[in-house]
Amino acid sequence: DTAVSQTPKYLVTQMGNDKSIKCEQNLGHDTMYWYKQDSKKFLKIMFSYNNKELIINETVPNRFSPKSPDKAHLNLHINSLELGDSAVYFCASSHALVNYEQFFGPGTRLTVL
Amino acid sequence: AQSVTQLDSQVPVFEEAPVELRCNYSSSVSVYLFWYVQYPNQGLQLLLKYLSGSTLVKGINGFEAEFNKSQTSFHLRKPSVHISDTAEYFCAELSGAGSYQLTFGKGTKLSVIP
Repeated sequence: DTAVSQTPKYLVTQMGNDKSIKCEQNLGHDTMYWYKQDSKKFLKIMFSYNNKELIINETVPNRFSPKSPDKAHLNLHINSLELGDSAVYFCASSHALVNYEQFFGPGTRLTVL
Repeated sequence: AQSVTQLDSQVPVFEEAPVELRCNYSSSVSVYLFWYVQYPNQGLQLLLKYLSGSTLVKGINGFEAEFNKSQTSFHLRKPSVHISDTAEYFCAELSGAGSYQLTFGKGTKLSVIP
C-alpha cells in the first residue's frame, strides 16, 4: 500500500482556473505538509498541518489554501491559476514528535497554460 | 533564517568510483539533518538522518554521512557508486522549534558514467 498518495499525478489547466490536488497518508502521522518544487528543482515548504491546525504558512499567495478534512488528508486548493504556479507539488507527512522523518508522496506536476 | 548550502549543483562520477556530495548548514542550535534522494519523475526518499549521537550516520543503498559541528557540514559519501545511483540528492535541515519545517538545499545532480 502506498504510504503517501497524491491525485492527480499530472494536471494541465488554463490560466484563471481553479484546481485542487488531493493528498492522503495511511501512516497514522499527525502532521502533513505541502512543498513546491520549481523548474530548477528547488523545494520550498508551503504549508503544514498538525492536528487540523495550520502551523506553518510561508509567503504563499492566498490563492493557495490547504484544507484538511481529517488527519489523514491534506488537500491543496488553488484559485485563479497563474503561469508561475507551474511546478511539481509534493505532499508529505510525519509524526512530529517521533523521528522527524517526513515521507513524501510521488508529486503532482501542474502545468498552467 | 536557516539556510542549507549544497556546494555542487552537478557531480559526474564514473561507475564504481567513490563520491562525496557536500552540504553545509547554518543553524547554531539543535540540528536535525537529512539527506533525501529523488530519482527521475519520482518523489523524495530518505537516505539517512542525523538527530543526535554518533556523528557517522549510515543510510540505505550504501550511503553514509558525517556530521561535523565545527565545520557545520553534513557531507554524503559512498565508496563505490552504481549506475542506479544517478539521481538528484537533497540535503535538508529541520527546525524543531515547533514548526518542523524542512529547509532544503538546492540539490546536487549525481550522474554516474558507465
